[in-house]
Amino acid sequence: ILNVEQSPQSLHVQEGDSTNFTCSFPSSNFYALHWYRWETAKSPEALFVMTLNGDEKKKGRISATLNTKEGYSYLYIKGSQPEDSATYLCAHNGNQFYFGTGTSLTVIP
Amino acid sequence: DTEVTQTPKHLVMGMTNKKSLKCEQHMGHRAMYWYKQKAKKPPELMFVYSYEKLSINESVPSRFSPECPNSSLLNLHLHALQPEDSALYLCASSQVNTAIYGYTFGSGTRLTVV
Repeated sequence: ILNVEQSPQSLHVQEGDSTNFTCSFPSSNFYALHWYRWETAKSPEALFVMTLNGDEKKKGRISATLNTKEGYSYLYIKGSQPEDSATYLCAHNGNQFYFGTGTSLTVIP
Repeated sequence: DTEVTQTPKHLVMGMTNKKSLKCEQHMGHRAMYWYKQKAKKPPELMFVYSYEKLSINESVPSRFSPECPNSSLLNLHLHALQPEDSALYLCASSQVNTAIYGYTFGSGTRLTVV
């Protein structure tokens, strides 16, 4: 079993603040790193798939970076909005998917 | 159709009951998965089906029995469960190359065993 860690476990920010959180993973046996956004009672929604060291992906106000040599990925949200409130889950894709425990984000209006 | 549909959304069952969870997708994905998630823990892989054949069983107790009757359907048959089996059960599907496409998830079945 691979140890994928996410920090912080939970986060409360004010509307308009920018925020970021971390996914740490073993750098061995790496094919891809996936980020998902998961709202309560809904399906996890794919945000990004990143495969190459130094990858940067952007979708609106959300962006992510990848460092496969040191085994971490950052997810950034610029100008947080209440609708960004969700759990953000990362997954290390080697021979299997190994998920982190997620970062629960609450954006306070 | 870009969704994975799971039914039921909620299920309460006794320890002597037999029930089934269903998962359906029409995206042509040939890999389907069952995950179990307990509160504040990461989703844990239970089973993987690839081209309708069971390819991974992560040492899951036999009271959980998966079935893949065709390329669009995945079932999880439940029998003689224990209260500690109460969890969110997530189904996912993917192209075989997950490194490019990732998973598409259902919204899960919240199972309570009483």
